[in-house]
Amino acid sequence: AQKVTQAQTEISVVEKEDVTLDCVYETRDTTYYLFWYKQPPSGELVFLIRRNSFDEQNEISGRYSWNFQKSTSSFNFTITASQVVDSAVYFCALVGGGADGLTFGKGTHLIIQP
Amino acid sequence: DGGITQSPKYLFRKEGQNVTLSCEQNLNHDAMYWYRQDPGQGLRLIYYSQIVNDFQKGDIAEGYSVSREKKESFPLTVTSAQKNPTAFYLCASRAGLTMETQYFGPGTRLLVL
Repeated sequence: AQKVTQAQTEISVVEKEDVTLDCVYETRDTTYYLFWYKQPPSGELVFLIRRNSFDEQNEISGRYSWNFQKSTSSFNFTITASQVVDSAVYFCALVGGGADGLTFGKGTHLIIQP
Repeated sequence: DGGITQSPKYLFRKEGQNVTLSCEQNLNHDAMYWYRQDPGQGLRLIYYSQIVNDFQKGDIAEGYSVSREKKESFPLTVTSAQKNPTAFYLCASRAGLTMETQYFGPGTRLLVL
């Protein structure tokens, strides 16, 4: 069975601080993909990144960066110089093997205070 | 603009009533999904469909039914057998293979009167 754990239920930081959201996963599949989605107050999930299990290179996109480490089964997400607009719930998700459908973590509610 | 639409935005259900949530996509995606989100919880898979006229149960299919008569449409019916239907329902679709990115609609919030 697959599992995604986001241990941080809620994080609150002051604007311009850096913040890291943790994601730990469990899977027996050798081929799998990991995702991060953002859910603003409107409710719609916004896709941020997709990373396959064979690519452990870190990725940077503007103020966002992702650190994938297979040795620790983690796929952490860092926002640099946070802004109020980053306030949202962030979900980490996994799909692997022959299964269809994403397995989600419970999400981390990020609050950026001005 | 290509995208996924869900209607209505809010839906109220009376006891013993079946209600249907609409999901339409014009992305020409083959696969479509329904997820349920409860407060403080992640999303859980209800049903999915990889091709027209075929669909599969997800982790929490009891009390729900779906149909896939057209590629662009995947309606979800919440039946009276679903005893705790109050939740946020999200529809998604994807192109290509199973592990491609899923894109989500704006969601429908279902409340019980």
